[in-house]
Amino acid sequence: DAMVIQNPRYQVTQFGKPVTLSCSQTLNHNVMYWYQQKSSQAPKLLFHYYDKDFNNEADTPDNFQSRRPNTSFCFLDIRSPGLGDAAMYLCATSRDEPTYEQYFGPGTRLTVT
Amino acid sequence: KQEVTQIPAALSVPEGENLVLNCSFTDSAIYNLQWFRQDPGKGLTSLLLIQSSQREQTSGRLNASLDKSSGRSTLYIAASQPGDSATYLCAVPQGGKLIFGQGTELSVKP
Repeated sequence: DAMVIQNPRYQVTQFGKPVTLSCSQTLNHNVMYWYQQKSSQAPKLLFHYYDKDFNNEADTPDNFQSRRPNTSFCFLDIRSPGLGDAAMYLCATSRDEPTYEQYFGPGTRLTVT
Repeated sequence: KQEVTQIPAALSVPEGENLVLNCSFTDSAIYNLQWFRQDPGKGLTSLLLIQSSQREQTSGRLNASLDKSSGRSTLYIAASQPGDSATYLCAVPQGGKLIFGQGTELSVKP
């Protein structure tokens, strides 16, 4: 089945220790998104890639970076995690921006100790 | 600026009841509206997507309607089951991203 896969499902990192979250997709979609979701809140878009074009949200902290080496993979790098970065991180894809139907992965729960 | 609101924030019903979840949006110039389900600690599952030209979409026991002129969408769940317990979110696209409501947390009691 075509899908969006996120690894790991659970990640524990120490305060200030860099961490990378991974997302892959078998849907061959052009657009990949990274969302942050804190408890009882709606998902908040951090950035997205349209093919190789990177689009950063204005309020995304510099601490968050992303890489998309190819169509299938996208990574979220948190350079110096703080306690406030503990959250669920969701990856999503869509075929093309005008379509906007987004397909989400299962998420990575990040804990910062 | 598009704003999406979902009322109520939480809903508890007995099993078997039909129920309606509400979603409202401030800018009626939407391309489509998407309903998602989220189980605790999990990602989002797309339930239904309604294009702006459509009035409703159905999938099994779920029916979503869209009234652009009034800025409203409803998700109707027929014959609710305990397995329907989850948070339901609606979202509309704007500026290359989805604008989400805060969600309705549904609990269906056996």
